[in-house]
Amino acid sequence: GQQVMQIPQYQHVQEGEDFTTYCNSSTTLSNIQWYKQRPGGHPVFLIQLVKSGEVKKQKRLTFQFGEAKKNSSLHITATQTTDVGTYFCAGYPGNQFYFGTGTSLTVIP
Amino acid sequence: GAGVSQSPSNKVTEKGKDVELRCDPISGHTALYWYRQSLGQGLEFLIYFQGNSAPDKSGLPSDRFSAERTGGSVSTLTIQRTQQEDSAVYLCASSPRGGLTEAFFGQGTRLTVV
Repeated sequence: GQQVMQIPQYQHVQEGEDFTTYCNSSTTLSNIQWYKQRPGGHPVFLIQLVKSGEVKKQKRLTFQFGEAKKNSSLHITATQTTDVGTYFCAGYPGNQFYFGTGTSLTVIP
Repeated sequence: GAGVSQSPSNKVTEKGKDVELRCDPISGHTALYWYRQSLGQGLEFLIYFQGNSAPDKSGLPSDRFSAERTGGSVSTLTIQRTQQEDSAVYLCASSPRGGLTEAFFGQGTRLTVV
C-alpha cells in the first residue's frame, strides 16, 4: 500500500547549525505538503509543492520536490530555538493525504 | 466557526467504557480526516471522509472503532469497550478539496483510559 517514509526520526542540532529532513513516497505524488507541530500543539500547514523539481523558500526554510515527484526535502538554515518541533510531510497521490512519520527537531541553545 | 473544533479537549474514561469524540470541521470543507497520535509519535491515519462517505476506513485499528459524518459536516469517532492502548491524542483535520489544498487541524482530544 501507499507509504510515505520520513528520515531521520529525530535530530538534535546546535543552534545555528543546519537541518534537513527527507520524505520518500512509494508512489508518484500529485503534490506534497509540509506541516510543523510545536510541542503540545497540532500540525500547522507550512507549504505545498506541486511541480516536478519545484523549490520554494520561506525565510530560512527551503523546500524541494523531486523530479520524479516521489521525494521531498525540507532544509532549515541556521536553526533557531523557535524551529523546535516535529516536521511532517504529507503526500497526496490523488485520493487522500498520507503523512510521513515525522522528524522531531531539537535545537540546543 | 473560525477553525476546526474538537470536543472534548480532554477525556478520562474507565477501561471498558465507550467514548465519543466530536469534530466540527471548517464550514464548507468536504474532506475530513481522523488521526491518532501517541505521545512523541507520528500521525496514525484512522479514517477519511469525502462528504458523508468514507472512501478509506483502512486505518481503523479494530472493530471497536467506528466513525460517521452527517450533513457533510460534523463527524463523530466512537470507541467501544476502550482499552488502555487506546490512550492517545485524537486529531481531526478538514480541507476544502481533499489533498489539493492544505489541511486544517483541530486542537485534538486527549483520551486517557484508566
